[in-house]
Amino acid sequence: DGGITQSPKYLFRKEGQNVTLSCEQNLNHDAMYWYRQDPGQGLRLIYYSQIVNDFQKGDIAEGYSVSREKKESFPLTVTSAQKNPTAFYLCASNGQESEKLFFGSGTQLSVL
Amino acid sequence: AQSVAQPEDQVNVAEGNPLTVKCTYSVSGNPYLFWYVQYPNRGLQFLLKYITGDNLVKGSYGFEAEFNKSQTSFHLKKPSALVSDSALYFCAVRDWSSGTYKYIFGTGTRLKVLA
Repeated sequence: DGGITQSPKYLFRKEGQNVTLSCEQNLNHDAMYWYRQDPGQGLRLIYYSQIVNDFQKGDIAEGYSVSREKKESFPLTVTSAQKNPTAFYLCASNGQESEKLFFGSGTQLSVL
Repeated sequence: AQSVAQPEDQVNVAEGNPLTVKCTYSVSGNPYLFWYVQYPNRGLQFLLKYITGDNLVKGSYGFEAEFNKSQTSFHLKKPSALVSDSALYFCAVRDWSSGTYKYIFGTGTRLKVLA
């Protein structure tokens, strides 16, 4: 089945630790996005990438980093500089043929 | 920059009644507008989009949305609500202002359909 896979579903971070959230798609989409969801604040854009080896900061990039070495993969690292990382993280993608975004099932990150 | 606003945190409606979830937008140029739905602990699912053409857009699960340029609104509607429609609804706009396109979402409206 084609789609977007996010892993893990739940992740716990200790103080001072970097953690990486995985996002893989087999839809052959060029563009990929990372959003953070907090209650009452909707979805806020962290990073996005329109093409392999290129990405741009979104509205809340501080404390996060990404890479786009392969078309199908767009991992997000939550660094120790992100002081309030507890949130639901969503990955999305879309292809040139459609403006519609396809979303993964999300990763809930919590701080121990 | 482009933006969308959802003025209601929650909308309650009785099953079988019509429902409306409101969205207003602020864009330069012609807007690309979207509605998505989210069920608990899941990603978002696409409902419908407006790019150009008819102001009334039909989408999935019996939902439709009305684009109103003079009021800068894009309200989501359904003639007869179902309990299973209870979920979190997001309005979104495609933003070109940075030279690349990205999608900006509203804060979401929780819809509760009461049996």
